[in-house]
Amino acid sequence: AQRVTQPEKLLSVFKGAPVELKCNYSYSGSPELFWYVQYSRQRLQLLLRHISRESIKGFTADLNKGETSFHLKKPFAQEEDSAMYYCALNAVSTGFQKLVFGTGTRLLVSP
Amino acid sequence: DSGVTQTPKHLITATGQRVTLRCSPRSGDLSVYWYQQSLDQGLQFLIQYYNGEERAKGNILERFSAQQFPDLHSELNLSSLELGDSALYFCASSEAGTPISSGNTIYFGEGSWLTVV
Repeated sequence: AQRVTQPEKLLSVFKGAPVELKCNYSYSGSPELFWYVQYSRQRLQLLLRHISRESIKGFTADLNKGETSFHLKKPFAQEEDSAMYYCALNAVSTGFQKLVFGTGTRLLVSP
Repeated sequence: DSGVTQTPKHLITATGQRVTLRCSPRSGDLSVYWYQQSLDQGLQFLIQYYNGEERAKGNILERFSAQQFPDLHSELNLSSLELGDSALYFCASSEAGTPISSGNTIYFGEGSWLTVV
């Protein structure tokens, strides 16, 4: 079964502190993983995709197949990073592909 | 602006009623996806259409149905509404039927807030 787990519903940190949003997945195939961000109930926006190995807004995420994880990290959090973050897995089922989302983690960065 | 347009933005209706949510994908996108976001269930995939045909089904109730029209806009029909159907319904689109490979990206609309009272 395809599953994405984000164990933390809320992560609260102070500005300038490091941040790590956890994501674990369960998938039998070759995983494609993403992080989406949602500010104040706005539309979801793609933040990162693991195949790009990029850094967006200071965030990075590394796919660890051994630990089936794709944690999102940022060394110094900013107040504008406060948002909901969703980890997503591209799952293939009977030839179709769909995004399976985790339940999300709310990041709250305080001054 | 992602280019995905959803109407209405907000809708309040009574239990037992039926509503239709509308989505216009980005220009050139053939795939449309519907997601439901509620406080207790998080973001749930409902259904996907590609060029007018149903491609994938997720956790969509039998009371719900969707379709994609020849002009590629899509409608999500919710009937016999219950209090628990109150949620934010997102539409998303992508160029191809496979949303993620080969650089394809899935773009989300701003969502339609449905409140059932």
